[in-house]
Amino acid sequence: EAQVTQNPRYLITVTGKKLTVTCSQNMNHEYMSWYRQDPGLGLRQIYYSMNVEVTDKGDVPEGYKVSRKEKRNFPLILESPSPNQTSLYFCASRQYDRVGADTQYFGPGTRLTVL
Amino acid sequence: GNSVTQMEGPVTLSEEAFLTINCTYTATGYPSLFWYVQYPGEGLQLLLKATKADDKGSNKGFEATYRKETTSFHLEKGSVQVSDSAVYFCALSGRQGAQKLVFGQGTRLTINP
Repeated sequence: EAQVTQNPRYLITVTGKKLTVTCSQNMNHEYMSWYRQDPGLGLRQIYYSMNVEVTDKGDVPEGYKVSRKEKRNFPLILESPSPNQTSLYFCASRQYDRVGADTQYFGPGTRLTVL
Repeated sequence: GNSVTQMEGPVTLSEEAFLTINCTYTATGYPSLFWYVQYPGEGLQLLLKATKADDKGSNKGFEATYRKETTSFHLEKGSVQVSDSAVYFCALSGRQGAQKLVFGQGTRLTINP
């Protein structure tokens, strides 16, 4: 089954304690992204990757890091989480096509609370 | 830059009512347009899409037509069901460069029996 998986689904942590949210896709997609969803703001892109070892900032990258060492995995790293990073996070992947029309597949989400 | 504006929610309707959720966009060039749906506790999933002017996307009784002259992509359904209760997101993707997907703020829809 084609899917994007994220772990953990729920996480409560404290300010400053480094954490990693994993993301994996089994569709051999080139393009992967991380979004955060906040009430009234929709989804905002944090980082994206157009292929292995190619990553770039999205709209709200401050406080986050990513890496893309393998095509299927795209972990999101919070080196020193702060309460304003409390949010619902989604990983997504899609094939990169020449007109931007390919379907984006989303993971189930990770609800993060930073105390 | 590119942007998407959706009608404010929440929207509450009775079963079998007609649904319209408005979406307008600002973009350079000719973006692809999407509607994604998020059911409670789940990630987003594609509902329908259109890739050029006058295209109509359709799925599960929902429809939306790419109107370049009004820069709109309104979502419609003739007769909603309780199972349609969800949050709906309009989005666009540029064709150049990183082809970033830009979302509207989402519209929460509740259908009462």
